[in-house]
Amino acid sequence: SQTIHQWPATLVQPVGSPLSLECTVEGTSNPNLYWYRQAAGRGLQLLFYSVGIGQISSEVPQNLSASRPQDRQFILSSKKLLLSDSGFYLCAWSVAGSTQYFGPGTRLTVL
Amino acid sequence: AQSVTQLGSHVSVSEGALVLLRCNYSSSVPPYLFWYVQYPNQGLQLLLKYTSAATLVKGINDFEAEFKKSETSFHLTKPSAHMSDAAEYFCALNAGNMLTFGGGTRLMVKP
Repeated sequence: SQTIHQWPATLVQPVGSPLSLECTVEGTSNPNLYWYRQAAGRGLQLLFYSVGIGQISSEVPQNLSASRPQDRQFILSSKKLLLSDSGFYLCAWSVAGSTQYFGPGTRLTVL
Repeated sequence: AQSVTQLGSHVSVSEGALVLLRCNYSSSVPPYLFWYVQYPNQGLQLLLKYTSAATLVKGINDFEAEFKKSETSFHLTKPSAHMSDAAEYFCALNAGNMLTFGGGTRLMVKP
């Protein structure tokens, strides 16, 4: 069966520091991968999606970036965090654009 | 363009009472529709999905939803609320590789 992992589960970082969040999927090949953010009191915002290795589409311009170095690995990065980057980050996968399955999330607090 | 509207950002019911969470959608193509549940500090869990088969869809934990094309609705129901149903619920519509989410409804269950 397929599983999706995210780490770390919780992260507290100072403003201006770098960020790297990792998402990996097991049990499937060539999935579509997605990064979402939930800010406090707001809904789900799609940040990036990827249909294959090295293929990244950005939905929202910001100081975040994403990379997909391997088929089942999706990384969210920032060179310098802002206070507004705080939130709950969710990774998701799907096959052929159908049902999306979500990871457990990473709670990021920027101080 | 596709959109999802969830009526009521907060719904409160008594334990044992009927749960009704409303979702209306707009789509230029036949939609695939989903309901997800999110418990605090967790990822989204798929409750059920409509993919153009039966219009009445049964999901986990006795939840069900009915697709009504004439009303462009996909409301979520459960006959008898449990305390453990307290969570946030998201309705979503599949548009190609993307999900369009509603704003979410927080369900509170009173003892």
